[in-house]
Amino acid sequence: AQSVTQLDSQVPVFEEAPVELRCNYSSSVSVYLFWYVQYPNQGLQLLLKYLSGSTLVKGINGFEAEFNKSQTSFHLRKPSVHISDTAEYFCAVSDPPEGGSEKLVFGKGTKLTVNP
Amino acid sequence: NAGVTQTPKFQVLKTGQSMTLQCAQDMNHEYMSWYRQDPGMGLRLIHYSVGAGITDQGEVPNGYNVSRSTTEDFPLRLLSAAPSQTSVYFCASSSWGGPSVTQYFGPGTRLTVL
Repeated sequence: AQSVTQLDSQVPVFEEAPVELRCNYSSSVSVYLFWYVQYPNQGLQLLLKYLSGSTLVKGINGFEAEFNKSQTSFHLRKPSVHISDTAEYFCAVSDPPEGGSEKLVFGKGTKLTVNP
Repeated sequence: NAGVTQTPKFQVLKTGQSMTLQCAQDMNHEYMSWYRQDPGMGLRLIHYSVGAGITDQGEVPNGYNVSRSTTEDFPLRLLSAAPSQTSVYFCASSSWGGPSVTQYFGPGTRLTVL
C-alpha cells in the first residue's frame, strides 16, 4: 500500500522568503502525485498534480513541485510567499486508476505560517 | 454549476444515533469519494465509487455505508454513531481523462458525536 510522509508538521517563514514543503512517498512502479491547500475552515483545493511528462510541475498561486523518482520525493516550492499563503498543505499519492479505482493516500499535512 | 455540495455543514449526534451525510455534484464526474479528516492525521479514505451502482471500501470503512444510485449523489450513512466518528467529513468528485484529472472537494461536514 502507498504511504506519504510530510517531513515537517509546521513551517514558519517570513513574508517574501522562499519556502519548500517536503513530501516523500513509498515506492511504486508508477504514481500520480498531488498537492492540496486547505485554508482555515474550508475544503481542500488542488494546487498542482503530476501525472506524467515533465518532472517540474507548475500550479496555482505561484507554487511548483518537482517529481524525483529516484528519491521518491515531490517537494513543493514557492520563491516568495505572501501572508495569504498561510494554510495547511497536504501531499497525496494515488496509483493510476487503471481498472477504474481512484484511491488517494494523504500525508498528515504541513502548516505553513507566513509572518510579516 | 455548483461543484460539490455537502449537507449539513454541522451536526451533533448522540452515541447510537444514525444519520446520513449528503453529497452531490453537478459535473457528471464518474468518481466520488468520502474522506474523514482528524487533527494530525491528514485525510483518510472511507469509501469511494467509480460510477453509479459501484462502490468500494477505503482505508477506514467500519461503521459507514454508502450507495450510489445516481451519478450525482453519494450519501454516507453512519449506522450507529460512536464518539470515534467525531471528525470533519469531506466528499470529493473527479473525472479522469487520459493524462488529465479534474477534481473538487466539498466544503465539509463537521460531525460531533457525544
